[in-house]
Amino acid sequence: EPEVTQTPSHQVTQMGQEVILRCVPISNHLYFYWYRQILGQKVEFLVSFYNNEISEKSEIFDDQFSVERPDGSNFTLKIRSTKLEDSAMYFCASSGGRYNEQFFGPGTRLTVL
Amino acid sequence: QQQVKQSPQSLIVQKGGISIINCAYENTAFDYFPWYQQFPGKGPALLIAIRPDVSEKKEGRFTISFNKSAKQFSLHIMDSQPGDSATYFCAALTGGGNKLTFGTGTQLKVEL
Repeated sequence: EPEVTQTPSHQVTQMGQEVILRCVPISNHLYFYWYRQILGQKVEFLVSFYNNEISEKSEIFDDQFSVERPDGSNFTLKIRSTKLEDSAMYFCASSGGRYNEQFFGPGTRLTVL
Repeated sequence: QQQVKQSPQSLIVQKGGISIINCAYENTAFDYFPWYQQFPGKGPALLIAIRPDVSEKKEGRFTISFNKSAKQFSLHIMDSQPGDSATYFCAALTGGGNKLTFGTGTQLKVEL
């Protein structure tokens, strides 16, 4: 069964450092998403990406964040200068269409020290 | 207005019992309402979803009841099993957008 994969599973970084979280969406999907979940809280939308551009983003997704699809398979989230409050689980998701199921990856736990 | 309110925060049910989780929303532009199940250390996985043109959808032991006028929907888990112990999130999607707005989650524990 196809699945979304994410690497690394856990990333520890120092405040102010740049991190890149990587995702491989399901191969024939067209819509890609990043969500985050602070420990014990709800899942929050960050950004959606379609046709090589951002289609929607939340207020959380400020200038410190960027997304990229560098090739035909990877989808990345970059945080330029991490803050303590960026510590969270980051989930990548993909779907074949707007009302199609969004399949979530297992997440990357980001810890900012 | 973009929020989805979910209750209860936690729920303990005996094996074989019915688990009921409720959600309410304000934004009438929401037109797709999925429920996600999340086990510790895993990403959310779609359980069942409904559109507002129907009042109920059933898949196996899982049923969504939808009340459009009250802007409420609920998940019923019949014959609850210990393997159902997980966190459940309701969510909503607008037709004009493609982001999921999640509820705050319900931690379900099914006891033997």
